[in-house]
Amino acid sequence: GQQVMQIPQYQHVQEGEDFTTYCNSSTTLSNIQWYKQRPGGHPVFLIQLVKSGEVKKQKRLTFQFGEAKKNSSLHITATQTTDVGTYFCAGYQWDNYGQNFVFGPGTRLSVLP
Amino acid sequence: EAQVTQNPRYLITVTGKKLTVTCSQNMNHEYMSWYRQDPGLGLRQIYYSMNVEVTDKGDVPEGYKVSRKEKRNFPLILESPSPNQTSLYFCASNPWTGTLDTQYFGPGTRLTVL
Repeated sequence: GQQVMQIPQYQHVQEGEDFTTYCNSSTTLSNIQWYKQRPGGHPVFLIQLVKSGEVKKQKRLTFQFGEAKKNSSLHITATQTTDVGTYFCAGYQWDNYGQNFVFGPGTRLSVLP
Repeated sequence: EAQVTQNPRYLITVTGKKLTVTCSQNMNHEYMSWYRQDPGLGLRQIYYSMNVEVTDKGDVPEGYKVSRKEKRNFPLILESPSPNQTSLYFCASNPWTGTLDTQYFGPGTRLTVL
């Protein structure tokens, strides 16, 4: 089945530094979604990328979808303490019955003030 | 308010005692699913449902059952819980439009099986 991997597993940064997490799939994705989970909370949708090579921005967050639609990245410029949490990428995997949704293991971001 | 609700939020039980975790959404979404979250493993899909009376296995279905008799409800059943099912469980729904299929997550249920 499809495998979705993320690196790094953990990242500690000083407030104001940049942060990037990378997502790789073993198969081509029709689209990719990114979620953020704050400590003690539930995952919250951030964005969906659909097109090959697509780049989207949300304030300090920049999302990219690779040309081959097998990898993606999330970059945060000038991190703030409010960025703390775990960032997951996710995509759909088709099987014989329908689509199950596969998440990467996540990258946990800590921001030191 | 559009939301996904789960009950209970916390549960401590013993091995072998059947339990049900309820999930309900008020957004008329077609697709619902259950995940378990364990440290270092991220979110793994247990079961999903693309419509009423249609349920399918995700990546880790062993030891779980689900049903989808109504569109809004998708309970997760553990017939004979074991300690390795101690985990944080999330229910999620999405509209399944084929374009933007955002998953909306419930608040989570923390289950401990002794």
